[in-house]
Amino acid sequence: ILNVEQSPQSLHVQEGDSTNFTCSFPSSNFYALHWYRWETAKSPEALFVMTLNGDEKKKGRISATLNTKEGYSYLYIKGSQPEDSATYLCASPGTGNQFYFGTGTSLTVIP
Amino acid sequence: SAVISQKPSRDICQRGTSLTIQCQVDSQVTMMFWYRQQPGQSLTLIATANQGSEATYESGFVIDKFPISRPNLTFSTLTVSNMSPEDSSIYLCSVPQGAHGYTFGSGTRLTVV
Repeated sequence: ILNVEQSPQSLHVQEGDSTNFTCSFPSSNFYALHWYRWETAKSPEALFVMTLNGDEKKKGRISATLNTKEGYSYLYIKGSQPEDSATYLCASPGTGNQFYFGTGTSLTVIP
Repeated sequence: SAVISQKPSRDICQRGTSLTIQCQVDSQVTMMFWYRQQPGQSLTLIATANQGSEATYESGFVIDKFPISRPNLTFSTLTVSNMSPEDSSIYLCSVPQGAHGYTFGSGTRLTVV
């Protein structure tokens, strides 16, 4: 079992603020780290797949970094908008088909 | 990437009954996965649905409780049998998309009363 943890559990920010949250994972036998955005009643949407230590990926106002040596990834949102309100999940593959998810960070952007 | 249609989106069921959840993919895929998210918990893999063979269940999940069908490469069903309130969860199907991660259905929000 891979212990994937996310913090904080929930977050409320004002529109226009920038924010970030953390995913931690075991640094041994690392293969990849995935980020997803999950809006209520919709499918989780893949944001990033990160594999290399020091990776930084960007999609619009959202970016993510990866540190495989210390076992963490940060997700940043610049200038948060109400449409960014969602649960953000990270996940890392284990053995076989198992894919270990964190419990998510629930982001609410207040207009 | 693949598009998955999952039904029903939500249901409220009586304890002791069963519910079958369907996922239809718009392309042929070798593997489909079924996940559960109980309140406050992580998404957890229930089983891998293989076409032409029995599903592979993860530790803690059994075929009698969660029978799975996979009649072809675009369709799968998960049944939650003899439900109890502890089965109240969001159930998701997903398919791998190689380097792009996984594509998920929109989920089935199940409440057992």
